[in-house]
Amino acid sequence: GAGVSQSPSNKVTEKGKDVELRCDPISGHTALYWYRQSLGQGLEFLIYFQGNSAPDKSGLPSDRFSAERTGGSVSTLTIQRTQQEDSAVYLCASSLEIGADTQYFGPGTRLTVL
Amino acid sequence: KQEVTQIPAALSVPEGENLVLNCSFTDSAIYNLQWFRQDPGKGLTSLLLIQSSQREQTSGRLNASLDKSSGRSTLYIAASQPGDSATYLCAVRYNFNKFYFGSGTKLNVKP
Repeated sequence: GAGVSQSPSNKVTEKGKDVELRCDPISGHTALYWYRQSLGQGLEFLIYFQGNSAPDKSGLPSDRFSAERTGGSVSTLTIQRTQQEDSAVYLCASSLEIGADTQYFGPGTRLTVL
Repeated sequence: KQEVTQIPAALSVPEGENLVLNCSFTDSAIYNLQWFRQDPGKGLTSLLLIQSSQREQTSGRLNASLDKSSGRSTLYIAASQPGDSATYLCAVRYNFNKFYFGSGTKLNVKP
């Protein structure tokens, strides 16, 4: 595609439910990144993928968060048993390779946990 | 833990003014520093990237400087326009997989 796309654009869920956020990177980009932007705060780096591999998962906020990437393309970020503090905008970015300077960001998914 | 701070948090100026946005970081061993623009409901757009060996970068009315020793970067916007209204984010990269963002400066340029 022309750019990074994310779905859904908005998600409202009840506390305790699981949610799945999707990211479609730019075709051919091997590196993919997930960030979280909470209200009034900067972006928090969560995890990156080089191909289908995520070498460092230490940025994930808790063990309720997991992410996977298949076929070197689409990635999903899953949050289990959502809590109100998980409410944020989740941004995905991709780059040609892991060391590339330029990241291309998607529009984000706004998650609201009631 | 590396911290990135942006001052001011918000700025409102009349059209045509020159302005400076500030970014400071605690660890000077950076890989590069990047300024982004974020519009409501949209992702981030890269404006300028300064490598650790560089002092400044320019693009049109934008100029970004980097002083690693003092842990500071500034984004200078000349002759501001209403279309410049957005949130400006500073991001510091420490290696290929560690990025730290400031909380941003929300700019409003009044016509």
